Amino acid sequence: KAGVTQTPRYLIKTRGQQVTLSCSPISGHRSVSWYQQTPGQGLQFLFEYFSETQRNKGNFPGRFSGRQFSNSRSEMNVSTLELGDSALYLCASSLETSGGSDTQYFGPGTRLTVL
Amino acid sequence: AQKVTQAQTEISVVEKEDVTLDCVYETRDTTYYLFWYKQPPSGELVFLIRRNSFDEQNEISGRYSWNFQKSTSSFNFTITASQVVDSAVYFCALSEGGYGGSQGNLIFGKGTKLSVKP
Repeated sequence: KAGVTQTPRYLIKTRGQQVTLSCSPISGHRSVSWYQQTPGQGLQFLFEYFSETQRNKGNFPGRFSGRQFSNSRSEMNVSTLELGDSALYLCASSLETSGGSDTQYFGPGTRLTVL
Repeated sequence: AQKVTQAQTEISVVEKEDVTLDCVYETRDTTYYLFWYKQPPSGELVFLIRRNSFDEQNEISGRYSWNFQKSTSSFNFTITASQVVDSAVYFCALSEGGYGGSQGNLIFGKGTKLSVKP
């Protein structure tokens, strides 16, 4: 079974631009979560989607948004990019059948550099 | 508030040594889940283990073992006879919530960078 895939793997943008990152979960997984990883702040939760609805959100500004499609694929968007948005963005998917905390499986990440 | 502390920022060992990575967590929930992930230089987080708060049994998987102690709020990870391929950053994570709770909010520690030298 294919793992979580993320595109693109690398991205370079300039301040003020916007960016869209894509995530395809493991087949059959219904929940998709996004995390930001930086050297200073570590791994931080951005948001979680299930059945096309945002179910949980971390403490990030409104410039960070996301969505999930009916096939469970997800995208996240960052508008008006700032230098501090440079990070590795990780997507994770989980099966979610019985509630509780199913294991999240992570993709390889998208490394975003903002110049 | 939930919190995960990995006090060891970096550890360096020589191949075949045993090494223990410490993880201490804080939570008010009685139902919670603990995880360990490995992040090699490629960047992808690789799942290693998941435990729920009601299962304090230690677990062994090959050279890996985990010691979960609710009394000290610790979930430590030991690698026996370390190998160069074990070099990576290891993250401990906590998720709260019982049945029907949200899946997405993993709280990560800062990670421990393990270097295994030949």
